[in-house]
Amino acid sequence: DADVTQTPRNRITKTGKRIMLECSQTKGHDRMYWYRQDPGLGLRLIYYSFDVKDINKGEISDGYSVSRQAQAKFSLSLESAIPNQTALYFCATSQPGLGMDEQFFGPGTRLTVL
Amino acid sequence: GEDVEQSLFLSVREGDSSVINCTYTDSSSTYLYWYKQEPGAGLQLLTYIFSNMDMKQDQRLTVLLNKKDKHLSLRIADTQTGDSAIYFCAESSNNNDMRFGAGTRLTVKP
Repeated sequence: DADVTQTPRNRITKTGKRIMLECSQTKGHDRMYWYRQDPGLGLRLIYYSFDVKDINKGEISDGYSVSRQAQAKFSLSLESAIPNQTALYFCATSQPGLGMDEQFFGPGTRLTVL
Repeated sequence: GEDVEQSLFLSVREGDSSVINCTYTDSSSTYLYWYKQEPGAGLQLLTYIFSNMDMKQDQRLTVLLNKKDKHLSLRIADTQTGDSAIYFCAESSNNNDMRFGAGTRLTVKP
């Protein structure tokens, strides 16, 4: 079974709709992240959480909100979706240590906003 | 903000070496990473290098770091068709906030 799962894998929605993307992990990691990937722009950080009570805005948090329901779950919401939020969204996890911080990525959710 | 830049495309023939280059601006970077993204999948860590090293070799992969010029490269020897993917350069500093480049799409032609 995959360590980091995302649901749904694909979603098409209309402008103005509220949508939630979910992420679950079985790695026992404290840190979780949401990124979006756009062609030619790489990954940009939306929100991150270092533990259940710690939520932080990333580079591009406007138009998004998150909820860390448990150590294993981190959901991303688009309150009122707009077409320029069409992108590939990735959840990732990591565990702080004494050195480098490897992030483990989910398979991605492809979101299309019409 | 701090930037990580890399060229978007690279095409090589099977059996040749591939060199993917990356530049970054954050002088406080402590770790630099190469992630690989295969079609339809998330990113997976390929290799990393600590900022006080200038080279790291792992089988077919060689990472070179020029800290003075803030330049990182990934060399893949004897490139195979299975190496076709998008390769992301990333860097982090002590606060573990990771920044990614735009990704280089490597195409390996038979």
